Formats: sequence, C-alpha cells, structure tokens
Amino acid sequence: QKEVEQNSGPLSVPEGAIASLNCTYSDRGSQSFFWYRQYSGKSPELIMSIYSNGDKEDGRFTAQLNKASQYVSLLIRDSQPSDSATYLCASGDDKIIFGKGTRLHILP
Amino acid sequence: ETGVTQTPRHLVMGMTNKKSLKCEQHLGHNAMYWYKQSAKKPLELMFVYSLEERVENNSVPSRFSPECPNSSHLFLHLHTLQPEDSALYLCASSHSQRYAGELFFGEGSRLTVL
Repeated sequence: QKEVEQNSGPLSVPEGAIASLNCTYSDRGSQSFFWYRQYSGKSPELIMSIYSNGDKEDGRFTAQLNKASQYVSLLIRDSQPSDSATYLCASGDDKIIFGKGTRLHILP
Repeated sequence: ETGVTQTPRHLVMGMTNKKSLKCEQHLGHNAMYWYKQSAKKPLELMFVYSLEERVENNSVPSRFSPECPNSSHLFLHLHTLQPEDSALYLCASSHSQRYAGELFFGEGSRLTVL
C-alpha cells in the first residue's frame, strides 16, 4: 500500500518565522512530488511541485526533496497569518497519493 | 468563466434518491478526476478520465457512476448511497494524465446522505 505520511498538527508558528512542514512517502519509485494548500472550507490549490533532489524556491516557499530518505519538506519564510491553512503533500506520477495534511497556524 | 466549476455546491439526499454532480472545466485540459475528501482521511482518487476515456476506477462502489461526455464536462451519478458516503466530492483537471499531480480543483460538492 503506497502511503504519504504527514504530521496532522496543528503546527503553530509565530508571524515572521519560518514554518517547516514535513512529509515522507513509501513508494521509492515516485518521481513527482507536490504541495497543496487548502484553506478551511475551500478546495486544495497547488503551490509547489518538485521532481529532482535538492531545493526549489518560489517566492517565500522552498520545497526540498531527498529521494534517498524518501522525504519532502516545505519551508515558508516570513510566515504570514494568511499562510494559516492545511498543507497537503502528494507524490506519484500517473496516480497521485495524498497525505492527510498538516494544519498550520500562524500566530499574529 | 474560468477554472473548474462544480454544481451543486451542497446536496442533501436520502438513501433511495438519485442525484448527479456536475463538473465543467474551462482550462482546455485533457484529463479530469473525481476525488473524495472525508474528515481525517487523505484525498481519495475515485475516477480518472483522459481524453474522455475512463482510465482509472479506484475500486469505487457501483452506486457511484461517472460520465464524461466530452473533455470539458464530467458527471458523477449517485444512487442508493449510504450515510458513510457523506463527504466533499472534488472534481479536478490537469493538462493531461501525464501531469496528474498538477491538479486544478473545483470548489467541491458537499454531500450529506441521510
């Protein structure tokens, strides 16, 4: 059974600090990894995709992939209250497996 | 209209009713999906259509019946549902099945089965 594991949280981070979200996956053959943000009562929105080992930066967001450790992370710099949401990690290629999500709360 | 639109946004039905969920995408994508989101569970892929052909049926009970008349429209027909089927049903699209992880979701249809 292919799985994606995330800590459900909530993860509380002070405004302006770095929020670090982590994810592990079981399918060693996965080549594609994704982070989605889901605000309460809304649908998921893709914020980052990463396909190669290392870091990928997009504005305040950095995705990190370590295929040897089967580990993906998302860093959010200069956290804002508007970043408060549930973050879903996903992996896979033609069939995507989602984690249960981590609730992030940015403290003003 | 842009993006992915779903109707109805909320639906309450009895176990003997028949209803349908509708999804329309205005992105020119070739793949469309139905996902189920229940509390404290990961998003569950139900069905995948690529170029109007069903390519995935993820062991979904037959009381859920998908239909994809063209690459822009997707339906989920519901009949004799169970209370445990109450959930948020999300439609999504992607450029193609090759980009199955780069999904654009609709706002969802919140289903309650009494």
